[in-house]
Amino acid sequence: NSKVIQTPRYLVKGQGQKAKMRCIPEKGHPVVFWYQQNKNNEFKFLINFQNQEVLQQIDMTEKRFSAECPSNSPCSLEIQSSEAGDSALYLCASSLRRGRDTEVFFGKGTRLTVV
Amino acid sequence: GQQVQQSPASLVLQEGENAELQCNFSSTATRLQWFYQRPGGSLVSLLSNPSGTKHTGRLTSTTVTKERRGSLHISSSQITDSGTYLCAMGQGGRALIFGTGTTVSVSP
Repeated sequence: NSKVIQTPRYLVKGQGQKAKMRCIPEKGHPVVFWYQQNKNNEFKFLINFQNQEVLQQIDMTEKRFSAECPSNSPCSLEIQSSEAGDSALYLCASSLRRGRDTEVFFGKGTRLTVV
Repeated sequence: GQQVQQSPASLVLQEGENAELQCNFSSTATRLQWFYQRPGGSLVSLLSNPSGTKHTGRLTSTTVTKERRGSLHISSSQITDSGTYLCAMGQGGRALIFGTGTTVSVSP
């Protein structure tokens, strides 16, 4: 069973408000991913880290989304100004290393609803 | 761009039947990882293998990376197997690319 912990499980925000969610990766996992899953089961990769360093991120993330993984603190993903289209399940995942055979483990997600 | 296609989109089974879920991907992958998700639920990793065949319980994953395909076999299905099965393609340490899933419904 995955030990990736995400909080909160549910988040409701008005349009224009900030939305912040947190993730504690499995102990010892330096690589962290954030994904967005919409109601059609489509996954969109947002950003990933190795320790505190950003490895990859998409354009969308650079504009309204910000994320960080400080040492000795939970990772976080924040939407600066929420839009209706941001309503989705946000999934955090971690893995032991970047490698060919590395398995990725997911948390339960934060379901964001923007009203 | 890179794509992962799963088939069938949905599957209805009688309890006890076997099922084969397919996954095809458009570019070179270093592994396939299969996940299970209940509606509104978290993703549970089922199997991850770069190539060949791997088993856990009633599940068997077969990956043929050079042919860009994989499959998940569920034997003797149970009602509790109902949910969505997602295939994700990995390329080294890059982010996984997901298919849109196969929804499985198992009835008594």
